[in-house]
Amino acid sequence: DIVMTQSPDSLAVSLGERATINCKSSQSVLYSSNNKSYLAWYQQKPGQPPKLLIYWASTRESGVPDRFTGSGSGTDFTLTISSLQAADVAVYYCHQYYSTPYTFGQGTRLEIK
Amino acid sequence: QVQLVQSGAEVKKPGASVKVSCKASGYTFTNSYIHWVRQAPGLGLEWLGIINPSGSSTSYAQMFQGRVTMTRDTSTSTVYMELSSLRSDDTAVYYCAKPTRNGGPLDSWGQGTLVTVSS
Repeated sequence: DIVMTQSPDSLAVSLGERATINCKSSQSVLYSSNNKSYLAWYQQKPGQPPKLLIYWASTRESGVPDRFTGSGSGTDFTLTISSLQAADVAVYYCHQYYSTPYTFGQGTRLEIK
Repeated sequence: QVQLVQSGAEVKKPGASVKVSCKASGYTFTNSYIHWVRQAPGLGLEWLGIINPSGSSTSYAQMFQGRVTMTRDTSTSTVYMELSSLRSDDTAVYYCAKPTRNGGPLDSWGQGTLVTVSS
């Protein structure tokens, strides 16, 4: 199984400041045939299902604000929120859909400082 | 628009089974695999398995092999996830989810079904 490890587990950032969450996979999730990394980022708020933010490591889902940016390839990935808003308080998960069993990072809780 | 609507909350005793439904609409039911993911209270996301509504083939996570069964009813565009021999640590919210294209990310999710296992 591919193990996904996020850092940090929790993060407190001031409004308007940058937030950075990292994700590392235990093996590459890059398919050489199409040069795509099968890595997604989700945002989850209490009582709601996860919401897809980023897929193919760096493609923003329709309707997601452009302050959310995904980067990385292979085994190392980053989600950056450029200017934190109050609405961004949530838990964020990375997720590999390269192979079954699909796996998720343990989550990073983002709060306002 | 794509919708996945799940059945309501369940309370079960240890050793019992639970069957959760997920009714799909807004797309061609047999064109998209359905995944099941669970989340224990305060914890992270755990993938249980996948069903192909077209041919009914399934693939389950190793830790649930022998306890989970996923089925579908094409006449009602509904998939089912049954978990047997329930334990207290099976208490969780169970989600069905689907990608827009098979092999892609899970971009549509059901609202979740809370299953509580308690004596």
